[in-house]
Amino acid sequence: QQQVKQSPQSLIVQKGGIPIINCAYENTAFDYFPWYQQFPGKGPALLIAIRPDVSEKKEGRFTISFNKSAKQFSLHIMDSQPGDSATYFCAASKGQAGTALIFGKGTTLSVSS
Amino acid sequence: GAVVSQHPSWVICKSGTSVKIECRSLDFQATTMFWYRQFPKQSLMLMATSNEGSKATYEQGVEKDKFLINHASLTLSTLTVTSAHPEDSSFYICSAPRGGSYEQYFGPGTRLTVT
Repeated sequence: QQQVKQSPQSLIVQKGGIPIINCAYENTAFDYFPWYQQFPGKGPALLIAIRPDVSEKKEGRFTISFNKSAKQFSLHIMDSQPGDSATYFCAASKGQAGTALIFGKGTTLSVSS
Repeated sequence: GAVVSQHPSWVICKSGTSVKIECRSLDFQATTMFWYRQFPKQSLMLMATSNEGSKATYEQGVEKDKFLINHASLTLSTLTVTSAHPEDSSFYICSAPRGGSYEQYFGPGTRLTVT
């Protein structure tokens, strides 16, 4: 049973485009939703995260939109660059701070120049 | 962000031998660390939760006698793959939450190849 469903599996955009990656969850106990970026052969790096008390959070070119009633959240990358080409994972956790993350299956993003 | 290191970054071993992977939090103390496994082009799968000073908690389907975890200090957790077999070849990654924070920081990963 997949607790966090991520789509699309892969995405190709042109430089300057705005790729959008979506995630959905079922467990209403989840209360922390981070996004990670991973390059081949490297560990995931935390990009941005949100908690259910806000509907949107922006950090630099990265924005999370959160819809609590729909149990969905998404990552938008503004003015995408070739250097953004990587695999992106959404995740969720529940309960107190520092609990294990449940990951989506990942989205491979390619930004063409 | 916080820094988590892993050693070694890659290791090749023969079938039947054991391999130890270290995970260190360099600039913060971590009472809890997590170990994940990632197969090529797949997501991260949680293997176990490592707790300082107590036994690790393993996810369903993960053999605790095969994947030994020791969290001996507030900055170090080790994962030992015992009697490794080719199917254990994978990318092993640890993570640690900074104390009291939801944010988790991942190590750079260890590529294990069992021949």
